Parts: sequence; C-alpha cells; structure tokens
Amino acid sequence: GENVEQHPSTLSVQEGDSAVIKCTYSDSASNYFPWYKQELGKRPQLIIDIRSNVGEKKDQRIAVTLNKTAKHFSLHITETQPEDSAVYFCAASPMFSGGYNKLIFGAGTRLAVHP
Amino acid sequence: DAGVTQSPTHLIKTRGQHVTLRCSPISGHKSVSWYQQVLGQGPQFIFQYYEKEERGRGNFPDRFSARQFPNYSSELNVNALLLGDSALYLCASSLALARGLTGELFFGEGSRLTVL
Repeated sequence: GENVEQHPSTLSVQEGDSAVIKCTYSDSASNYFPWYKQELGKRPQLIIDIRSNVGEKKDQRIAVTLNKTAKHFSLHITETQPEDSAVYFCAASPMFSGGYNKLIFGAGTRLAVHP
Repeated sequence: DAGVTQSPTHLIKTRGQHVTLRCSPISGHKSVSWYQQVLGQGPQFIFQYYEKEERGRGNFPDRFSARQFPNYSSELNVNALLLGDSALYLCASSLALARGLTGELFFGEGSRLTVL
C-alpha cells in the first residue's frame, strides 16, 4: 500500500548548524513531494516542494533533493535559527488524472534549534 | 485574500453523537480535501472533492461522509462518534488541476474535535 516513512522523529541542533530530514515512499507513481512546517497549534504550511522531473530545488536556506530510483527525498535546512523549531512533515502524492491530489504524509520530525 | 476558513475551531462531543465540520476554500479554488490529524501523527487523507464530485476517499469507515456545495465550500460529517475520532480535522483547498498534476494544498487552521 501507499506509505511514507520519515526519519528522524526528533532532531535537536545548535543554532547555525544544518538539519537534514529524510523520507522514503512506497508508491512509484508518486510525482509530487511537498514539505510542510507545522508550529504548535497551527496549520501545516508549505515550505518547499519538488516534482519528479527535478532532482533538486533550493529556496534560500531550504533545499530538497529527490532520488526517484531509490524512492528517497530529503529536506536540508542550513544555518538553522530558533524560529525553525517546529514539526516538519514530508508527503508524497501519486499521479492521478481528473483532479485527484491525495497526499500521503510521513509521521513528522520535531526539530528543536537551541540558541 | 482570506485563506481557507474552518468552523468550528474547537468542539466537544460525547460518544455516539454526530458532528458537522465546515470549510470555505480560498476564492477560486475548486478542490477541497479533508484530513484527520491525530496528536503526534501526520495528517491522514479522508476525502477529496473537485467540482462538487468525490474524487478520492481514504481508509475511513462509512461513518465519515462529506459533500461539496455549488460555491465550493464543503462539509465533513461524522456519525456515531468514537473516542478514537478525537483529532484535528484539517481542510485544504487547491486550484483546479491540470491532468495528471497535483496542485499545492493550502490548509485551514483546523477543527479540533474532542470525543468524551
């Protein structure tokens, strides 16, 4: 069945260090891979996404890489800041026609950035 | 522009009761999806509606139902509530999709349901 595994479940770093979160997915038909940040009591907010025709995408301190052969994708945050502390979710979406856009989410990574 | 709005924000029900949750998508968005997020877990897909038709259903029992109205707002209904239905229910909207492509989902703040 469709599944997304996310590691680690918790990550603690010092301010200024880098953080890496990794996900694997099972459905080879997946073609869209977003990352969401969710602060306590808030909605999930999209921070970056990548489609299967691209191997890497970067937006300032955030980058995502995708290896379709291995069914892996990763989130990289450089120069971490205390405000980066939150729960991060990866997700994968299979390619379906007709306006279907189901996301399969990972279990989340709680990132703590210490000053 | 207003984002995705959901109501109510919080509610408490007892086992066996029924609940209706409401969602208004971002203006111009025709697709609405519902997700259940149990504390400490990632959101789980319940339903997707596009142009008022059900386009997808997750692994949830028939106690869960939904519909989309002509103005693209949506309702999620849950009958015969169980303790395990306690969760944050998230609504997300997205623009009309090109064939075979997935659009960005914009989430609302959610409706937090507690079943006692």
